[in-house]
Amino acid sequence: SQQGEEDPQALSIQEGENATMNCSYKTSINNLQWYRQNSGRGLVHLILIRSNEREKHSGRLRVTLDTSKKSSSLLITASRAADTASYFCATASGAGSYQLTFGKGTKLSVIP
Amino acid sequence: DGGITQSPKYLFRKEGQNVTLSCEQNLNHDAMYWYRQDPGQGLRLIYYSQIVNDFQKGDIAEGYSVSREKKESFPLTVTSAQKNPTAFYLCASSPPNRVEQYFGPGTRLTVT
Repeated sequence: SQQGEEDPQALSIQEGENATMNCSYKTSINNLQWYRQNSGRGLVHLILIRSNEREKHSGRLRVTLDTSKKSSSLLITASRAADTASYFCATASGAGSYQLTFGKGTKLSVIP
Repeated sequence: DGGITQSPKYLFRKEGQNVTLSCEQNLNHDAMYWYRQDPGQGLRLIYYSQIVNDFQKGDIAEGYSVSREKKESFPLTVTSAQKNPTAFYLCASSPPNRVEQYFGPGTRLTVT
């Protein structure tokens, strides 16, 4: 079953603009991760936020987590054409669980 | 994609034939995973293995089989019992006591 649901399904922005993607999930989690997938390629891990964290930064990425609303957001600032990809959230729940449950993803297009 | 290889990149088979997808990693990771991705969808877990000679079914194991005889290798066999085998298959691994996963480049299987 898919735990996470990304929103929007697709997003198109101009280069230099910020892109925000949201993820909602249903059950309690230990952590939430964001991955990027370029077309026809494998996924690349971007950032992990633990359930006791509210915000995390990595370069141009900012992730927030609201466990009361069971939601997370990924913000990419000053987007570049190279950021064009699909972005997935993945959740892990249960003690010692290393199984991830992925959402369906947000397809981001950054127009030069 | 570094450290995890999947071969071949594209694979074509006739209906009724079994086919084995290769996944090799040189990252010294204990845990390995197989996912299936259909167009516009997220990843669904087929099988995972946390240690050599042990593996567990994921959400959609029916029609698939795996083996884990070596730490570096986790081949997936798509059997003729799998009703809709055409998909993009992704292999991943994760370091000990870590939840982030490292993905291979994927194998696109087409069965006609």
